[in-house]
Parts: sequence; structure tokens; C-alpha cells
Amino acid sequence: EPEVTQTPSHQVTQMGQEVILRCVPISNHLYFYWYRQILGQKVEFLVSFYNNEISEKSEIFDDQFSVERPDGSNFTLKIRSTKLEDSAMYFCASSQHTYNEQFFGPGTRLTVL
Amino acid sequence: DQQVKQNSPSLSVQEGRISILNCDYTNSMFDYFLWYKKYPAEGPTFLISISSIKDKNEDGRFTVFLNKSAKHLSLHIVPSQPGDSAVYFCAASAQGSGNTPLVFGKGTRLSVIA
Repeated sequence: EPEVTQTPSHQVTQMGQEVILRCVPISNHLYFYWYRQILGQKVEFLVSFYNNEISEKSEIFDDQFSVERPDGSNFTLKIRSTKLEDSAMYFCASSQHTYNEQFFGPGTRLTVL
Repeated sequence: DQQVKQNSPSLSVQEGRISILNCDYTNSMFDYFLWYKKYPAEGPTFLISISSIKDKNEDGRFTVFLNKSAKHLSLHIVPSQPGDSAVYFCAASAQGSGNTPLVFGKGTRLSVIA
């Protein structure tokens, strides 16, 4: 069964450093998303991406964040200068259409020291 | 601002009995609702969804009920099995307005006791 994959599973970084989280969405899906879950809190939407551009973003997704689809398979989230409060699980998701269910990857645990 | 609320942080049910997980929402623009299951160290796994044009959707042991007037939905699992033990998230989106990000509740941890 096709699935969304994410790498790395765990990333530890120093405050102020740049990190890139990688995702491979399901191959025939057209819509891509990033969510995050801070420990003990709910899953929060960050950004959605379609046709090589951002279609929606939340207040969390400020200028420190960017997304890219550098080739036909990868979808990346970059945090330019990490802060302690960026520590969270980051989930990538994809869907075939906007009205379909979104399928989630296993997540990347980001720890900012 | 909790647009999607799951007021029970945890629920324990005997194996074989029915599990009922509840979810309330406040945004009347929401028209598509989903339930996800999450095991530790894994991403949310889609379980079942319902559109606002329906009031019930069934898939095997899982049934979701939607009461639009009360802005309430529930997930019924029957019979409950130990493998159902996980955190269950209710999520909603406003697809009719073209806004598709999912808004999640905080989750309910279900423990099915053998």
C-alpha cells in the first residue's frame, strides 16, 4: 500500500541553525501539507502546497519557514533559524484532491537545543 | 480558540464492548469531518470520514455519526479490540469554501482492556 515517507525520523539541532525536513508524498497525490504537534498539544496546520506554490498557510508559518518541491517526488520544509519553540513532531501529509482524506507520514521529531 | 474539541482526554472500554468517542466543533463553515488514529511514534492514520450532507457513515466496525444542529460528531467502534488502543483525533475542514487545512482536536486516548 502506498505511503508517505519522511526523513529523518529524528533531528537534533542547535538554536539558530537551519534544518530541512524531507517528505516523499504518495506518488499520484497532488496536494501536500505540513503539520506539527508540540508535545502534549494538538496537531496544527502549517502550510498546504499545490501546483508548485503555497495555497494556504497558518500564522505559525512565518518568514522562517519555507517549502519546496525540488523534484517530482520530494517535498521539503525548511526552517531557516530554529528556535527552542520549534521543537515538535512535524508531519507531512498528501491527498489526491482537496476533498479527499489526507494521508500522513510517520513524522520527524525535531529537537532544538 | 478551540474550533474542534474533544472533551474526554481518555476512555477505557472492555474488549468486545462499544467505544464511543465524541467531538464538538464551533465553526459552522466546517463541512467535512475525519477521524484519525495515532499510535506512539507514528503519524495519524486515516480511519473514516463524513461529509456534512450525511449524518452517518459506516466502515466495518467503525461508524461516524454527525449531528449538524448540535455541531457534534461521534465515532463508534464495535466490537472494541485491544489493537484499537490508540489516540483518536477528530479533524474538520471547510471544503466548501476552498479552505482545506485540517483543524484537529486534542485527541482522546482509548484503552481497550482484554
